[in-house]
Amino acid sequence: AQKVTQAQTEISVVEKEDVTLDCVYETRDTTYYLFWYKQPPSGELVFLIRRNSFDEQNEISGRYSWNFQKSTSSFNFTITASQVVDSAVYFCALSGLSGYSTLTFGKGTMLLVSP
Amino acid sequence: SAVISQKPSRDICQRGTSLTIQCQVDSQVTMMFWYRQQPGQSLTLIATANQGSEATYESGFVIDKFPISRPNLTFSTLTVSNMSPEDSSIYLCSVDLSYNEQFFGPGTRLTVL
Repeated sequence: AQKVTQAQTEISVVEKEDVTLDCVYETRDTTYYLFWYKQPPSGELVFLIRRNSFDEQNEISGRYSWNFQKSTSSFNFTITASQVVDSAVYFCALSGLSGYSTLTFGKGTMLLVSP
Repeated sequence: SAVISQKPSRDICQRGTSLTIQCQVDSQVTMMFWYRQQPGQSLTLIATANQGSEATYESGFVIDKFPISRPNLTFSTLTVSNMSPEDSSIYLCSVDLSYNEQFFGPGTRLTVL
């Protein structure tokens, strides 16, 4: 069975602070995908990143960066110089690598960035 | 990515009635998925809809309560039947574009009184 744990229920920061959202996963699959999605107050789910288990290189996209550590089963997400528009619920998710696998979501972390 | 639309975007319904939610994609996709997100909760997969075959339901979800249609490669519907207040949720459809790259529609916010 697959499981995704986002231990941080809610994080509050002040604009321009850096913030890291934690994600720990469990899977029996040897190959898998990890994802991060953003859900702003409007409710839609915005795809941020997909990372396969073969690739442990960290990734940076603008103010966003992701740290994948297979040894600790973690896939953490850092926002640098946070902005008010970053306020949202962020979900980490996991799927198998074979075929069209379904997503297992964590419970989400609500990020509140105040001016 | 894909452009995914859902109708209605929100609705308020009376207990005991049914609501059909539509999901339209701007490209042909093999797999479509329906998720439920109860207030303050994470997303839970209801079923997987493959064109031309019966939907596959996850544990805890049954066809009588959540019938799904998938008439072609760009469209699907989810019906929430005999609704109760516990069905108040956001319902999201998603499509798998290229092996495990799922994109989501904007969601349908359902409130059942």
